[in-house]
Amino acid sequence: QQQVKQSPQSLIVQKGGISIINCAYENTAFDYFPWYQQFPGKGPALLIAIRPDVSEKKEGRFTISFNKSAKQFSLHIMDSQPGDSATYFCAAGGLSGSARQLTFGSGTQLTVLP
Amino acid sequence: EAGVVQSPRYKIIEKKQPVAFWCNPISGHNTLYWYLQNLGQGPELLIRYENEEAVDDSQLPKDRFSAERLKGVDSTLKIQPAELGDSAVYLCASSSYSSNEQFFGPGTRLTVL
Repeated sequence: QQQVKQSPQSLIVQKGGISIINCAYENTAFDYFPWYQQFPGKGPALLIAIRPDVSEKKEGRFTISFNKSAKQFSLHIMDSQPGDSATYFCAAGGLSGSARQLTFGSGTQLTVLP
Repeated sequence: EAGVVQSPRYKIIEKKQPVAFWCNPISGHNTLYWYLQNLGQGPELLIRYENEEAVDDSQLPKDRFSAERLKGVDSTLKIQPAELGDSAVYLCASSSYSSNEQFFGPGTRLTVL
């Protein structure tokens, strides 16, 4: 009930291409869906987040698409750059009270070739 | 604004030895989290504090792990005795009560020999 499944495990794209990472969740009580970016030796850093009352959120080159009925959400990185090479984690959780914690996916290692 | 501070950054110990990790959250953040991150995996919650109260420690292996957050600010996570399978990165994160936006520290990489 608490799982968040993420795919693919690894992704290689050319500079300027589009990177797409997908996640699926099970718990319908989740109402907060962030994506985190992690570089080697660093802690995860929040990239972008969405709530289920919208189907899409865009911040610069990063877009989250959210499908509530399918319980799926995805991260799109447009015009991917070598500096985007990192591990990306989706997560799901609640926004208030006892639900304010996150369940993370297993991560996607993105490599953007120059 | 200073971020989440963790120390040490790296620790190498032999099995059966004790080890402790320290975390200082972002000023004003009353929620503190300890996560375990195995190689190639996402963070897994060990314990969550609201101020000085542990509100979710269901994933903390209480036979060998303990944590405390005296005065509701910084926190210590302890393992005694450590086992080979405890080798991992231990992450600390914090958030304000009005948000679930969690800010992570750089982690402590533990190697148990």
